[in-house]
Amino acid sequence: DVKVTQSSRYLVKRTGEKVFLECVQDMDHENMFWYRQDPGLGLRLIYFSYDVKMKEKGDIPEGYSVSREKKERFSLILESASTNQTSMYLCASSNERGRQFFGPGTRLTVL
Amino acid sequence: KNQVEQSPQSLIILEGKNCTLQCNYTVSPFSNLRWYKQDTGRGPVSLTIMTFSENTKSNGRYTATLDADTKQSSLHITASQLSDSASYICVVSPNRDDKIIFGKGTRLHILP
Repeated sequence: DVKVTQSSRYLVKRTGEKVFLECVQDMDHENMFWYRQDPGLGLRLIYFSYDVKMKEKGDIPEGYSVSREKKERFSLILESASTNQTSMYLCASSNERGRQFFGPGTRLTVL
Repeated sequence: KNQVEQSPQSLIILEGKNCTLQCNYTVSPFSNLRWYKQDTGRGPVSLTIMTFSENTKSNGRYTATLDADTKQSSLHITASQLSDSASYICVVSPNRDDKIIFGKGTRLHILP
């Protein structure tokens, strides 16, 4: 059974803190994605990666960075968390342009 | 501009009834269209995937249809159950690049 896991289901951080969200997939997929989901806005793409050490900006990359040191792991980094980054963060993986498999999500609250 | 629009934004029906969710898109050409179900607080799970040449795809009580001429897709849910309460998201993949486009979803509430 395919699996995408995210390091935390719920996370509370303070403004200015550095935040790491980790995502691991066990399907040997080349492609991995980070989205945020907010009410009324749907899913918005932050960053994606097509290979190890490769990254591309999505629609809303400002305030975020990513790291893909190993194929199975894709990390989202908030260098200095702000209250407007309070959101649900979803990681996904896919092979080429196929179906995306999503993780359970991390609900991040920045105080 | 490539867009995916879903309607209605939310829907409430009684358990056992049928319902149809709509998805209109302007993405052209496109590779495939997918419907996802997302339970509250969880990640989306794929229900169906259709290429531009397919008209219909079923997954149990879920049936998706696609009209590539009018650029419309619908998701029909038959004999709804309480567990169908969720958001349903339409997703379109363009041919040109890998930046897929998400609709904002329809929030479905099933009442007992």
